[in-house]
Amino acid sequence: EVQLVESGGAVVQPGGSLRLSCAASGLAFDNYAMHWVRQAPGKGLEWVSLITWDGGTTYYADSVKGRFTISRDNNLGSLYLQMNSLRPEDTALYYCAKTPGGYTGYADYWGQGTLVTVSS
Amino acid sequence: DIQMTQSPSSLSASVGDRVTITCRASQGISNFLAWYQQKPGKVPKLLIYSASTLQLGVPSRFSGSGSGTDFTLTIISLQPEDVATYYCQKYYSAPFTFGPGTKVDIK
Repeated sequence: EVQLVESGGAVVQPGGSLRLSCAASGLAFDNYAMHWVRQAPGKGLEWVSLITWDGGTTYYADSVKGRFTISRDNNLGSLYLQMNSLRPEDTALYYCAKTPGGYTGYADYWGQGTLVTVSS
Repeated sequence: DIQMTQSPSSLSASVGDRVTITCRASQGISNFLAWYQQKPGKVPKLLIYSASTLQLGVPSRFSGSGSGTDFTLTIISLQPEDVATYYCQKYYSAPFTFGPGTKVDIK
């Protein structure tokens, strides 16, 4: 059974940094591209970032470009999101999600999410 | 960037009704479109990919159609457990934008 478990969410001050992790199990992690998707309280889904199976290509939403960095460690089966220069509008539940392919695609499995709150 | 819109933003229908949600892309995306269901307080769930392919385990009352810029999600007989917000997402190319969502409840 595919399991994705996010961690690292916290309350952080504006301008601060945070690193989210997503531990994958029950799948050949290094075969799949991975997404981060976020959802602000009471709002819709917002795509944040994607990394290809080998980490060779990354994509970002304009709202986080230059501040967030996605990475992965295929040996550990883990996905990461380094979040710098955090803003109140980054407050959201952050989900990691698996694609069915190595380079792009929709999200066929989702984690439960980890909550990031940016507030002074 | 390609923009995604959905209509309506919300709807209320009776059990057994046929429900149709529309998703529109500002440029053609072939059939690189997925639909998700998010029940209140729950994780989003993939319903349909490639515009019309039902994900394994999804009830057959859900169907998707469309190609290019215009897509629809249809629930042929609305059930109480279908109360949720439905999102479309393009995956033709980055950014992999979601639509704003359509909230469905029971009248």
